Amino acid sequence: GQQLNQSPQSMFIQEGEDVSMNCTSSSIFNTWLWYKQDPGEGPVLLIALYKAGELTSNGRLTAQFGITRKDSFLNISASIPSDVGIYFCAANFGNEKLTFGTGTRLTIIP
Amino acid sequence: DARVTQTPRDKVTEMGQEVTMRCQPILGHNTVFWYRQTMMQGLELLAYFRNRAPLDDSGMPKDRFSAEMPDATLATLKIQPSEPRDSAVYFCASGPNGDRGINEQFFGPGTRLTVL
Repeated sequence: GQQLNQSPQSMFIQEGEDVSMNCTSSSIFNTWLWYKQDPGEGPVLLIALYKAGELTSNGRLTAQFGITRKDSFLNISASIPSDVGIYFCAANFGNEKLTFGTGTRLTIIP
Repeated sequence: DARVTQTPRDKVTEMGQEVTMRCQPILGHNTVFWYRQTMMQGLELLAYFRNRAPLDDSGMPKDRFSAEMPDATLATLKIQPSEPRDSAVYFCASGPNGDRGINEQFFGPGTRLTVL
């Protein structure tokens, strides 16, 4: 089946640093999304991308839909403590199912 | 503040018992999803509904799991009989009408199930 390879698996950064994570696949997708999950909660949608090459921002977050349609990245600028959590990429080919990546766990070191 | 609600938040039960998890989707959303999350498998789609009709339950073990939407405000996921390997966090999510409802999902807080 379609799989999303998300990297890195975990990140340890200091407050104020920029963060970059990405998601790749051998399959082509029509939609890429990024969700964030806080401890004890369900994932929350951060950014949705619907066109290849699209670059979209949401506050300090920026995500891009790769030109090949096989990848996407998420950047967080000037990280703050509330950015801690697990970030999931997700993608949809149009078959009415979202495929989720394995997640990137972000930890901020005091 | 529109949210997906799930009950119970936590459930501990013994192997062989029936478990029922409930979800109230956001009012007006017509797409409802059930997911299971474990450390090993990540987020797995179990089933989803559109306009209360089941569209896909291929991710669900058919012999013991069942999902229904008795009405537009209630979705249920039942496990009978439960087994220790069913221990996981079960999420319900709903999506707005239209094509984006599949992608822009709103998740509930989850039900943490422990089967002893």
